[in-house]
Amino acid sequence: QKEVEQNSGPLSVPEGAIASLNCTYSDRGSQSFFWYRQYSGKSPELIMSIYSNGDKEDGRFTAQLNKASQYVSLLIRDSQPSDSATYLCAVENTGGFKTIFGAGTRLFVKA
Amino acid sequence: DVKVTQSSRYLVKRTGEKVFLECVQDMDHENMFWYRQDPGLGLRLIYFSYDVKMKEKGDIPEGYSVSREKKERFSLILESASTNQTSMYLCATRPNTGSPLHFGNGTRLTVT
Repeated sequence: QKEVEQNSGPLSVPEGAIASLNCTYSDRGSQSFFWYRQYSGKSPELIMSIYSNGDKEDGRFTAQLNKASQYVSLLIRDSQPSDSATYLCAVENTGGFKTIFGAGTRLFVKA
Repeated sequence: DVKVTQSSRYLVKRTGEKVFLECVQDMDHENMFWYRQDPGLGLRLIYFSYDVKMKEKGDIPEGYSVSREKKERFSLILESASTNQTSMYLCATRPNTGSPLHFGNGTRLTVT
């Protein structure tokens, strides 16, 4: 079992729709969770951090965390073509010594 | 704003060469990391450092070593480059545990 798993996609949604990206992780002691966006040829950039169960909203983005189910998700409302990128789920391991990444989900938003 | 600078954007080396990848940060962050990114495999941790002269192996340290002589600089060394080390190398920093990572622009290394 991979430590952090994501559906590789591609996920294709029409402009204006909600994009839903999912991630599961195996380390039950993890306390810190992150979503990064990576455009082709660029380095990852942080979208959201989440540390507590529930939802966290920032503009069009909502991160959801369920530690009991070991599940993290990212919702993108009113998707725009500029949201087309690879989205990386990242989880800190128990103790926080290292951050482990999923392989990423490619998102295409069609105009 | 945090700035993480990697010395080269593109690098081409021959098999067997010793390769140095440099990373410098300007925000006095304690923690520094080296990842490699390959299609379908995501980012994999090679080495990390929590303090000057301190280093820890990540998940794929074989064939690599690191050096952190000053707080702001973290170097990745390929002792004898091989073709399977052709990859995108990303340096990242963070101030402490629980903080998100700040990435450099990456070095695309090709070993022929």
